[in-house]
Amino acid sequence: DAEITQSPRHKITETGRQVTLACHQTWNHNNMFWYRQDLGHGLRLIHYSYGVQDTNKGEVSDGYSVSRSNTEDLPLTLESAASSQTSVYFCASSAWQGGTEAFFGQGTRLTVV
Amino acid sequence: TQLLEQSPQFLSIQEGENLTVYCNSSSVFSSLQWYRQEPGEGPVLLVTVVTGGEVKKLKRLTFQFGDARKDSSLHITAAQPGDTGLYLCAGGRDKIIFGKGTRLHILP
Repeated sequence: DAEITQSPRHKITETGRQVTLACHQTWNHNNMFWYRQDLGHGLRLIHYSYGVQDTNKGEVSDGYSVSRSNTEDLPLTLESAASSQTSVYFCASSAWQGGTEAFFGQGTRLTVV
Repeated sequence: TQLLEQSPQFLSIQEGENLTVYCNSSSVFSSLQWYRQEPGEGPVLLVTVVTGGEVKKLKRLTFQFGDARKDSSLHITAAQPGDTGLYLCAGGRDKIIFGKGTRLHILP
């Protein structure tokens, strides 16, 4: 069965360190998204990609970067982790742009100390 | 910028009661989606509504898309403890945006 997996599920890191969260999907979807979820803010879009070599900034992209070298993977990098980036991060993929079902990973809980 | 506002933010009701939650925007959406999220999991799609005025039923859940395609509602009949969770509406033209969700708790 096709799926989308995130790793690690939990991570604790120190302020200032570079951190990369992995996202791998076997749906063969062109579109992939990264969100963060915080109490009181819901799911906020960080970055998204419509295909290989395509990346776009979402509403809360500062301090984050992504790269898309193949269809299956969209790693999210925190260049210099800050306490404000403590959150639960979700990766998602969808077949078409807008208005179609997004399939989500199980999330990565990141704590920056 | 497209925004989706959901209400109420929290809802706690007794098993067997009916309830309605809302998703509103000042923007027109070509479609809206409803997701349900359980603790420790990612959101899972419940339904997509596409046509203005459309009504879709999923067992005890009834979803409606407003005539102007700016709002949607989710009505649950005879709520059960298994309905407990975070309900999110989502939509967007070139990227998927989410409302902040309604956290629903059904008391047995």
